[in-house]
Amino acid sequence: GQNIDQPTEMTATEGAIVQINCTYQTSGFNGLFWYQQHAGEAPTFLSYNVLDGLEEKGRFSSFLSRSKGYSYLLLKELQMKDSASYLCASMDSNYQLIWGAGTKLIIKP
Amino acid sequence: DTEVTQTPKHLVMGMTNKKSLKCEQHMGHRAMYWYKQKAKKPPELMFVYSYEKLSINESVPSRFSPECPNSSLLNLHLHALQPEDSALYLCASSPPGQDYNSPLHFGNGTRLTVT
Repeated sequence: GQNIDQPTEMTATEGAIVQINCTYQTSGFNGLFWYQQHAGEAPTFLSYNVLDGLEEKGRFSSFLSRSKGYSYLLLKELQMKDSASYLCASMDSNYQLIWGAGTKLIIKP
Repeated sequence: DTEVTQTPKHLVMGMTNKKSLKCEQHMGHRAMYWYKQKAKKPPELMFVYSYEKLSINESVPSRFSPECPNSSLLNLHLHALQPEDSALYLCASSPPGQDYNSPLHFGNGTRLTVT
């Protein structure tokens, strides 16, 4: 079957660093996406990895290991506005997104 | 600001009503999607249109009827809904063809409440 696992909730402090992990099992693999979603709003695209390694984009970085079926999203210099849900999604062999349940990130001052 | 526009933002309807959700994008994307999202859950795919043809229907009940009048517009017609259909309905688009793995661009959604 197809499965995406990520922690339900995480808490971090403003200014700190947090890593949100995601493991995936999908029928085929065409890349791993991370989206941010604030409560009541639409998901917004953060990053895409299809090759192993780290992709850095400002304060956010995303890592992929295809052999381990593992990805993480790294958020640096946390700001209060980073409080949101972070959704991991794997694209399967049919180019359809398989979504994780999301990680609710709570930032404390 | 999102480049995918959805209307209305909020909708309250009775179980006997007929209403429509609308979605519009002008990015030249040729794939458009309807997703349903319940609170604290990930988006669930409902329908995919590719080049204005329905390519995926994820066993959605017939009380939801999609329509793609042209490459920029996507509608979702609603009829005889149930209270459990209350959710956030998200429209998204992406460029197919050589960019099958392009990210989805989501609209801000329509918050639907069925009474």
